[in-house]
Amino acid sequence: AQRVTQPEKLLSVFKGAPVELKCNYSYSGSPELFWYVQYSRQRLQLLLRHISRESIKGFTADLNKGETSFHLKKPFAQEEDSAMYYCALRGGYSTLTFGKGTMLLVSP
Amino acid sequence: GAGVSQSPRYKVAKRGQDVALRCDPISGHVSLFWYQQALGQGPEFLTYFQNEAQLDKSGLPSDRFFAERPEGSVSTLKIQRTQQEDSAVYLCASSPRLAGVNTDTQYFGPGTRLTVL
Repeated sequence: AQRVTQPEKLLSVFKGAPVELKCNYSYSGSPELFWYVQYSRQRLQLLLRHISRESIKGFTADLNKGETSFHLKKPFAQEEDSAMYYCALRGGYSTLTFGKGTMLLVSP
Repeated sequence: GAGVSQSPRYKVAKRGQDVALRCDPISGHVSLFWYQQALGQGPEFLTYFQNEAQLDKSGLPSDRFFAERPEGSVSTLKIQRTQQEDSAVYLCASSPRLAGVNTDTQYFGPGTRLTVL
């Protein structure tokens, strides 16, 4: 069985502070990990995927197979980063398994 | 271009009524997925189509749920004899490639919020 755990329902930081949204997964094979984001009144959209090893909007995430983690990080949070963030895993051929999500609030 | 669209955006049903939720994927997208998102939860997989073929329906919670994509484009999720526990946001996503191919991305619709009274 595959599982994604996001331990924090809410993360509140001040503008300019570093951010780390935690994600741990459980999967017996080689997973593909994603971060999806949902801004207020917008649809769910892909933020980044581990195989791309890219930085999107200043966010990065590194897959740590030893710790089965895929934490999302940004060194300096901006107010426009406030949104709901979902970690997701794809094991096998298609379906995504999502975590419950973490709401990030960035205050001025 | 146009993204994934879903209709209706909101649906209120009385317990026991049948409902039909529509998804218009991005034109030409091969793969189509349905997810159910309960309040405070992440999306949960319901079913997957590759063109018109329903290849995985393991996530459908009961036989009251039925999905189709007869011409490999528009898809309909039907829920018969709705129950209060069916209240959720139903998300549709489409992908241009066969599912599981590296770098395929799922593009999500805005969702249909179903409330069963």
